[in-house]
Amino acid sequence: AQKITQTQPGMFVQEKEAVTLDCTYDTSDQSYGLFWYKQPSSGEMIFLIYQGSYDEQNATEGRYSLNFQKARKSANLVISASQLGDSAMYFCAMREGRSGGSNYKLTFGKGTLLTVNP
Amino acid sequence: GAVVSQHPSRVICKSGTSVKIECRSLDFQATTMFWYRQFPKQSLMLMATSNEGSKATYEQGVEKDKFLINHASLTLSTLTVTSAHPEDSSFYICSATGGFSPLHFGNGTRLTVT
Repeated sequence: AQKITQTQPGMFVQEKEAVTLDCTYDTSDQSYGLFWYKQPSSGEMIFLIYQGSYDEQNATEGRYSLNFQKARKSANLVISASQLGDSAMYFCAMREGRSGGSNYKLTFGKGTLLTVNP
Repeated sequence: GAVVSQHPSRVICKSGTSVKIECRSLDFQATTMFWYRQFPKQSLMLMATSNEGSKATYEQGVEKDKFLINHASLTLSTLTVTSAHPEDSSFYICSATGGFSPLHFGNGTRLTVT
């Protein structure tokens, strides 16, 4: 079974609107971390937001928020007020086990290509 | 903030030659580095985990004799693709952590084997 599932290969959103990118995960660990990265066409991986499994509050970073539903094992990314520069590939990733050292190896989903229309 | 520098950003080599990719942590000691490969329009797949001063741990299906990883210092890890073939053409990207510090990615290397 896939550990990270992103069911939306592509998404379109109008500029200034909000968009939700879906991510579900599968792990038997009690301690884990969930990440979202943005990858523009140039290839670099840009860290957006992180949610730890024990974090009670949903993570927020500027226009990015993570809708963490632990019981459903979902960690959807919400981008508010979309901008043209948000057009990129978005990857959800998971770290299993407690943070640190080799545990920082991440498993990535297949990604969602977001296109923001003017 | 912490930066990971990856070099070269692009490389073209002939089939049968070897190519070395460097991953440097610029302002922190990277005790652990990870190497990923990404084929066009696909996800990042972990190739190996390297800890400074020890042998790399390769993921299943990754040929350790073909993809040589050296992590001889706390600021440098190298990936050498030996006897490269066109099917090795891909985007290779490293990430690094200083233990409990956040994970930082390099900007990636686009390898084309002709």
